[in-house]
Amino acid sequence: DAGITQSPRHKVTETGTPVTLRCHQTENHRYMYWYRQDPGHGLRLIHYSYGVKDTDKGEVSDGYSVSRSKTEDFLLTLESATSSQTSVYFCAIRGGTDNLAQYFGPGTRLLVL
Amino acid sequence: ILNVEQSPQSLHVQEGDSTNFTCSFPSSNFYALHWYRWETAKSPEALFVMTLNGDEKKKGRISATLNTKEGYSYLYIKGSQPEDSATYLCACERDGNNRKLIWGLGTSLAVNP
Repeated sequence: DAGITQSPRHKVTETGTPVTLRCHQTENHRYMYWYRQDPGHGLRLIHYSYGVKDTDKGEVSDGYSVSRSKTEDFLLTLESATSSQTSVYFCAIRGGTDNLAQYFGPGTRLLVL
Repeated sequence: ILNVEQSPQSLHVQEGDSTNFTCSFPSSNFYALHWYRWETAKSPEALFVMTLNGDEKKKGRISATLNTKEGYSYLYIKGSQPEDSATYLCACERDGNNRKLIWGLGTSLAVNP
């Protein structure tokens, strides 16, 4: 257990509304990631962070923004939710210098109607 | 485009059978090769991270090998059990890529009792 929580765990929203997902970690890890999981596509990286206020885009970043104002929290915002953003969203952290593995949060299931 | 390819896409075996999967990855600028186990309705869990050519890792009945020169890794499961049923993901970490992973689509294993 790498102390990663995600909130909310489930959300239903309407097209056009903004949505923010939160990832919280308790172990001061530097690298944090947001992925989405869709059938046939596996895990796809949306955005990632390599430190406070240091973020960069992944392969499917359009329509998403992120913020990391403190080490423990990494927020993912859907600026104007669309039905194509219905997905399961996973947050992950990287273990550290001596531990390269990524550790995942429990996931957030988002439905955009 | 740099891809990670996994084969087979899916596999059905009987309890007690031994099985293996393949992961092919770009060998240039190699940094690390990751294996994860992903059970349905859960989050991916790290199995192994390997960095050196010829590395072999083992955890119980599961083991993995790495060939960085030719860009492949094998995951072996000895004496499969129904609880081994999951999707097995591999991911490649490349040098200078800011610790992002390139993910394969996974091999889905079903072990029949």
